[in-house]
Amino acid sequence: GQNIDQPTEMTATEGAIVQINCTYQTSGFNGLFWYQQHAGEAPTFLSYNVLDGLEEKGRFSSFLSRSKGYSYLLLKELQMKDSASYLCAVRPNTNAGKSTFGDGTTLTVKP
Amino acid sequence: DTAVSQTPKYLVTQMGNDKSIKCEQNLGHDTMYWYKQDSKKFLKIMFSYNNKELIINETVPNRFSPKSPDKAHLNLHINSLELGDSAVYFCASSQEETYEQYFGPGTRLTVT
Repeated sequence: GQNIDQPTEMTATEGAIVQINCTYQTSGFNGLFWYQQHAGEAPTFLSYNVLDGLEEKGRFSSFLSRSKGYSYLLLKELQMKDSASYLCAVRPNTNAGKSTFGDGTTLTVKP
Repeated sequence: DTAVSQTPKYLVTQMGNDKSIKCEQNLGHDTMYWYKQDSKKFLKIMFSYNNKELIINETVPNRFSPKSPDKAHLNLHINSLELGDSAVYFCASSQEETYEQYFGPGTRLTVT
């Protein structure tokens, strides 16, 4: 089985940096996704980490440590439009396609 | 062009009714999914289909049944609707090699 933990809520200030953590326990691991979901909208893909380390994509970066079962999403130069829910999802190495989603972190960006 | 589309966007119905939600993807993906997102915003997978074969069947009530007429479509049929079925249902698809999922806009189901 899989167990994924993320903080329920976070608040940050416009222009600042925020780090959203995700820890997981899984019987098999292949990779970790981050998705963004604005209120009333569908989730959209942000990143996918398979190997240890940091992957940067513009203002967003995602980090993975397979040995620690830990990932974080780093958002820089926060904008008001970054207020959304951020979902961590783990892809196992069996049962191809099945990713389990965490319960999401609701980020509120304040002026 | 919409990559993953769902109809209807909103569905209001009474307890005990039977309803269907349709999903289509034009991405040529091999795998399609149905998710349920409840009022607490928890996203839970219900089903997925890979090349018309059911490969995941989570412990959902058998009142829910997925139907895939072809690789581009995965419809969700719900029998004897209950109040607890009220939620947003998302369809998604992915190409087997990448597993990045593309979500449809969601169907908000309200059972009264």
